[in-house]
Amino acid sequence: GQQVQQSPASLVLQEGENAELQCNFSSTATQLQWFYQRPGGSLVSLLYNPSGTKHTGRLTSTTVTKERRSSLHISSSQITDSGTYFCAMERRGNEKITFGAGTKLTIKP
Amino acid sequence: GGIITQTPKFLIGQEGQKLTLKCQQNFNHDTMYWYRQDSGKGLRLIYYSITENDLQKGDLSEGYDASREKKSSFSLTVTSAQKNEMAVFLCASSRLGGVEQYFGPGTRLTVL
Repeated sequence: GQQVQQSPASLVLQEGENAELQCNFSSTATQLQWFYQRPGGSLVSLLYNPSGTKHTGRLTSTTVTKERRSSLHISSSQITDSGTYFCAMERRGNEKITFGAGTKLTIKP
Repeated sequence: GGIITQTPKFLIGQEGQKLTLKCQQNFNHDTMYWYRQDSGKGLRLIYYSITENDLQKGDLSEGYDASREKKSSFSLTVTSAQKNEMAVFLCASSRLGGVEQYFGPGTRLTVL
């Protein structure tokens, strides 16, 4: 079945540093989405990026479909960025979404 | 805009009990999903439905039933609650063919 690998599993940074999160998938993804989850909270969609580069605020996602990978870059991290980041992908016509295990990000003051 | 509501927010049941979780969306989305998230873990797909009365099994369907009564609602039934399935159950929806999913706030299940 399709697999999604996220790295690193956890990341600890100082406030102001940049964060780089990676997502690799085992089959060609036609759809790719990044989510954020605060501890005890639900999932919030950050970026929907099946290919190319997309920006929103301090977030940049780059998906290279042929290489089966996507990255999420968070610039000038803030304490409120702490939480878990998930990527999720779907193969064409499948409708079945597969999530990675997440990257737990901790930003320290 | 739209919203996904899940009821109840907290569900407490006895071991062996049959429990039902409900989800409603007003996005007019075709596809709806049920996921289970164990503490500190990722999401695992239980069931999904691409249209009214459709049902597709996910990776974790054993021990669960689901029902898509109408386009806007998707119910999940835990057929016999077990202590090892205490988790948060998340409902999501999306347009057909799109993975841009929107999530509900979740139902936290506790089994005594």
